[in-house]
Amino acid sequence: DAKTTQPTSMDCAEGRAANLPCNHSTISGNEYVYWYRQIHSQGPQYIIHGLKNNETNEMASLIITEDRKSSTLILPHATLRDTAVYYCIVIISGSRLTFGEGTQLTVNP
Amino acid sequence: DARVTQTPRHKVTEMGQEVTMRCQPILGHNTVFWYRQTMMQGLELLAYFRNRAPLDDSGMPKDRFSAEMPDATLATLKIQPSEPRDSAVYFCASGFDSNSGANVLTFGAGSRLTVL
Repeated sequence: DAKTTQPTSMDCAEGRAANLPCNHSTISGNEYVYWYRQIHSQGPQYIIHGLKNNETNEMASLIITEDRKSSTLILPHATLRDTAVYYCIVIISGSRLTFGEGTQLTVNP
Repeated sequence: DARVTQTPRHKVTEMGQEVTMRCQPILGHNTVFWYRQTMMQGLELLAYFRNRAPLDDSGMPKDRFSAEMPDATLATLKIQPSEPRDSAVYFCASGFDSNSGANVLTFGAGSRLTVL
């Protein structure tokens, strides 16, 4: 599995877009980029995933650079409930999901 | 919404006692994962199953931990004997892996274990 690098923490104002970066320079062609988050004391929650193209769902958008060496998770209008640890994970299909340190996002009023 | 159900939600026990945690994966899912989370270690993968067969349990202390899937609707994680260092939140997750696409996991709410 490709190694990922994320900032330890980030802050965002409520109502603004939160842009969470992830570097995965050793990603291979068949590895997906997944984003999960964990709100305090809850189980991790799936957000979005992608292989090559940008993706959008009701929760977020995922922007993957053309060379696939980095990606950005975008929460378009962050709310206080989006305060959580966000994990960027790169794995091939069917592989086990392992979590790193993630980014602690704090949304401020 | 379909959900992964874990029991018990909280368990307090004394050192040396046997602990069994149960997980009901989402109907139709063919992969089940067990994770442990502590403040010091973060989220650790203990074991995972595909089509009820154990694929990887290398993260699990073999001498005291065991994981099984007696049937497709039940996964168990057993600790015998339990030790204070086993105190943690244990998460179960399930997903559908078709080998041709992504495997998105749904996590349960966790079982918080305290061993005194």
